[in-house]
Amino acid sequence: QKEVEQDPGPLSVPEGAIVSLNCTYSNSAFQYFMWYRQYSRKGPELLMYTYSSGNKEDGRFTAQVDKSSKYISLFIRDSQPSDSATYLCAMSSNNAGNMLTFGGGTRLMVKP
Amino acid sequence: DAGVTQSPTHLIKTRGQHVTLRCSPISGHKSVSWYQQVLGQGPQFIFQYYEKEERGRGNFPDRFSARQFPNYSSELNVNALLLGDSALYLCASSSTWAGEPLHFGNGTRLTVT
Repeated sequence: QKEVEQDPGPLSVPEGAIVSLNCTYSNSAFQYFMWYRQYSRKGPELLMYTYSSGNKEDGRFTAQVDKSSKYISLFIRDSQPSDSATYLCAMSSNNAGNMLTFGGGTRLMVKP
Repeated sequence: DAGVTQSPTHLIKTRGQHVTLRCSPISGHKSVSWYQQVLGQGPQFIFQYYEKEERGRGNFPDRFSARQFPNYSSELNVNALLLGDSALYLCASSSTWAGEPLHFGNGTRLTVT
């Protein structure tokens, strides 16, 4: 079983929809949680960065962390065709430096 | 400001050869990490260097090595290439050893034939 599980999709939604992306994890030591967006043939681009539990909002994006359930989410409001990409969750623990553990990514397609 | 830059962007090598990949971090960033991303999977951690010292190593064979230079740029070296080494190699930088977000470059796509 992988440390971080993420549904690979693809997830197809109409333009303007609210998108929910999720990851589950097994390592209770994870304290830092990130969401990255990756377009084809590009590197991952940081979207959200949170520490411990709670919610964080940035524009159309909201990240939620529920450490009791070992479950994190990314919500995208008013989705646009330009949001079509692969979304990667990543996490790390306090003593792991910059060693991130990634999920396998969810491919999102937003149709006009 | 320039982001993380990697060179070359693409590379084709033959089994058994050696390859060197290069990375320049964001200005002011002292930590560089290397990741391998196989097609259809999430990135896997290879190395972290901070202030020119190795601070972390992932589960990769000794054929993989790296170093960081006084200007904080970094090289990843892979010896005795195998077909399974074909992947996107990503470099990421951050300002500190831990607790700050990682910013990735666009990677070097390595194909081993």
